[in-house]
Amino acid sequence: EPEVTQTPSHQVTQMGQEVILRCVPISNHLYFYWYRQILGQKVEFLVSFYNNEISEKSEIFDDQFSVERPDGSNFTLKIRSTKLEDSAMYFCASGTSRGLNSPLHFGNGTRLTVT
Amino acid sequence: RKEVEQDPGPFNVPEGATVAFNCTYSNSASQSFFWYRQDCRKEPKLLMSVYSSGNEDGRFTAQLNRASQYISLLIRDSKLSDSATYLCVVSPSGSARQLTFGSGTQLTVLP
Repeated sequence: EPEVTQTPSHQVTQMGQEVILRCVPISNHLYFYWYRQILGQKVEFLVSFYNNEISEKSEIFDDQFSVERPDGSNFTLKIRSTKLEDSAMYFCASGTSRGLNSPLHFGNGTRLTVT
Repeated sequence: RKEVEQDPGPFNVPEGATVAFNCTYSNSASQSFFWYRQDCRKEPKLLMSVYSSGNEDGRFTAQLNRASQYISLLIRDSKLSDSATYLCVVSPSGSARQLTFGSGTQLTVLP
């Protein structure tokens, strides 16, 4: 079964550094998402992306965050200057359509630790 | 009021037991409803979508009550492998199908 893949599985970085989290969505999917989960808390929506532009973003997704689909396969999340509170599990997800009941497929996540 | 509210548990039940989880949501315009499961430090995985008429998938039954803004999940004949956190997930109407997750209900099935 095709799957969403994310790299790296764990990223440790110092406060103030830039990080790029990478995702390869399922190949025929058109809708792409980033979610995050701080340890012990709920999964939170960050941003959705379709047709090479952001569709929606949450209040978490401030100017320090950006997303890009630089080629036909990768979908990246960049955090420009990391803060301690950015430490979390970051999940990429993709979907085939906007259809109300079509599921999202999540990648296995990147654990980001900011020290 | 939280957007999606769940009893955090934990629920500790013996193998073979029937267990039910409940969830309430605040946005009456919500259009889509799901149950996901999440194993410790893993990604959420879709368990089942929840339809207005209620639906069943093997040992799992989901119900939706739009008037009460309430969703339920029933697990019959629970297995050790059912141990996980069960996430109630709601999608509001709108363009991007943003998912709003509950905090989850932790289930441990004991031998």
